[in-house]
Amino acid sequence: AQSVTQPDIHITVSEGASLELRCNYSYGATPYLFWYVQSPGQGLQLLLKYFSGDTLVQGIKGFEAEFKRSQSSFNLRKPSVHWSDAAEYFCAVPGGNNNDMRFGAGTRLTVKP
Amino acid sequence: DTGVSQNPRHKITKRGQNVTFRCDPISEHNRLYWYRQTLGQGPEFLTYFQNEAQLEKSRLLSDRFSAERPKGSFSTLEIQRTEQGDSAMYLCASSTLATAGETQYFGPGTRLLVL
Repeated sequence: AQSVTQPDIHITVSEGASLELRCNYSYGATPYLFWYVQSPGQGLQLLLKYFSGDTLVQGIKGFEAEFKRSQSSFNLRKPSVHWSDAAEYFCAVPGGNNNDMRFGAGTRLTVKP
Repeated sequence: DTGVSQNPRHKITKRGQNVTFRCDPISEHNRLYWYRQTLGQGPEFLTYFQNEAQLEKSRLLSDRFSAERPKGSFSTLEIQRTEQGDSAMYLCASSTLATAGETQYFGPGTRLLVL
């Protein structure tokens, strides 16, 4: 069944440093993949999604993600992190029949001043 | 487009009481989803509606849970005889008719605490 795994529970980076959050997927065909961000006490906001074409996807807030079939990965990146990026980040893949979204356990990002 | 809204944002109740949450999706979105999120976890699918029809329920949705979407617009999620294990964030999302890769737009959630 389609699923995603986020290996890192918590990551701390300094403001201005680059960021990479890992996501590995399990799916036979080319998956549709999503990254969402959740600020404390808030719902989820879509950052970007991939479903075909260019494997480098640009999103909002300066984020990008790269789909790598050979590594079954869809890692999220940002060249320079801002303090406001501190949040929980979730990778997701549609379930069977596109009736639900299956999320990873999330990676909590802390940004040091 | 005001986005998905949920009410109340927070609810504290005593074990054994019934609670009801409301979700207003983005207008013209045909699909509405409910998820549950516990601390340190990603959201888990509970159920979804296409217009007013409830088309799928997950195994997480016990008999104490019921969801409705009577006119194909807003939806309610009721939990009867609440238990402490029901404490979680309940998230609602909506989307247009599902095509592959269709984006689900999430509301702010209702945080439930059962004492």
